[in-house]
Amino acid sequence: DQQVKQNSPSLSVQEGRISILNCDYTNSMFDYFLWYKKYPAEGPTFLISISSIKDKNEDGRFTVFLNKSAKHLSLHIVPSQPGDSAVYFCAAIGSRLTFGEGTQLTVNP
Amino acid sequence: EAQVTQNPRYLITVTGKKLTVTCSQNMNHEYMSWYRQDPGLGLRQIYYSMNVEVTDKGDVPEGYKVSRKEKRNFPLILESPSPNQTSLYFCASSVLVPHNEQFFGPGTRLTVL
Repeated sequence: DQQVKQNSPSLSVQEGRISILNCDYTNSMFDYFLWYKKYPAEGPTFLISISSIKDKNEDGRFTVFLNKSAKHLSLHIVPSQPGDSAVYFCAAIGSRLTFGEGTQLTVNP
Repeated sequence: EAQVTQNPRYLITVTGKKLTVTCSQNMNHEYMSWYRQDPGLGLRQIYYSMNVEVTDKGDVPEGYKVSRKEKRNFPLILESPSPNQTSLYFCASSVLVPHNEQFFGPGTRLTVL
């Protein structure tokens, strides 16, 4: 039972445009959400997080939005850069950290 | 440099031959965890440890063992590896519980023939 789902395995955008990565969850007990970025041959690295008491958190070019009623969160990257090309994992915390399947983002120059 | 190290980075073995993947962190973190990454399934937690001598099962613990005798080390043991354990494995650590940012090791690519 996949409690955290990233329905888009891949996303391709042009440099300078906005990238929007989506994540849906089913467990209403999740109280904290995170995004991790992973480059090939490296471990995931933490990118940005949001508590369930908030609906938005911004850090530079990265903004995470949380819609609790829809059990949906999204990561916006503006403007997108070629160096942002990586796999992005959404994760949620209830009693444990649960990851989604990941979305491969490719930013084309 | 603050880091999580894993060894080996790559391993090819045969069914039934016991192996250990080591994990060490130098950040004095209480919480450590093992994950496996498989295509289409994301990262799934195998085991985690809240502190020395305290370990617990994650989502996919079957076929794995762990130990936490020292705070910095959290080895993953496969007593009798099988081909369905072929995967990419990550160790991670964080301060206290996983609400804090987790730091991941570089990964171990395991192939069981």
